[in-house]
Amino acid sequence: GDSVTQTEGLVTLTKGLPVMLNCTYQTTYSPFLFWYVQHLNEAPKLLLKSSTDNKRTEHQGFYATLHKSSSSFHLQKSSVQLSDSALYFCALSYSNNRIFFGDGTQLVVKP
Amino acid sequence: NAGVIQTPRHKVTGKGQEATLWCEPISGHSAVFWYRQTIVQGLEFLTYFRNQAPIDDSGMPKERFSAQMPNQSHSTLKIQSTQPQDSAVYLCASSFLTDEQYFGPGTRLTVL
Repeated sequence: GDSVTQTEGLVTLTKGLPVMLNCTYQTTYSPFLFWYVQHLNEAPKLLLKSSTDNKRTEHQGFYATLHKSSSSFHLQKSSVQLSDSALYFCALSYSNNRIFFGDGTQLVVKP
Repeated sequence: NAGVIQTPRHKVTGKGQEATLWCEPISGHSAVFWYRQTIVQGLEFLTYFRNQAPIDDSGMPKERFSAQMPNQSHSTLKIQSTQPQDSAVYLCASSFLTDEQYFGPGTRLTVL
């Protein structure tokens, strides 16, 4: 079936360091991939989305590239800030279907 | 654009009571989704509607939970005989054609 796997439950980093949050997916369809970010006591908000193979997508300093060959859509940032501390969800959709969310990765950025 | 509206923002019920949660999607959006979020279970899909028709309710607990979308401007999630394990933040989201979902602020349900 369709699924999304995020291997890290918690990532703790010092401000200014680079980060990569892993996301792999499984589907037999041509997918849309998303990254949602949820700050404490807020609703999830879309951060990035892509359906184009091997094309880098960027927003607010975060970037990700959909690689269909490896079924991956890892989220990266070159220098994390304190305000990046949040819960990050990778998600998958196709053909106007529901979105399948991963379990989420909690990013904690320390001073 | 007011975004997705959910009411109430907080609801406290006693065990065994009924809870009805409301969602107003963004005007023009054709799909409405319901999720439940807890620390332990994370973000769980419950059900969704497209053009007011129920499409997938595979995440809904078979007993006590029901959802409706009587018109394009609102959807309700009803929980009968609430139990402490129903305590969670219930999120509603809507989308148009791009699959991109916009979430409401959620309703925090506490069952005592």
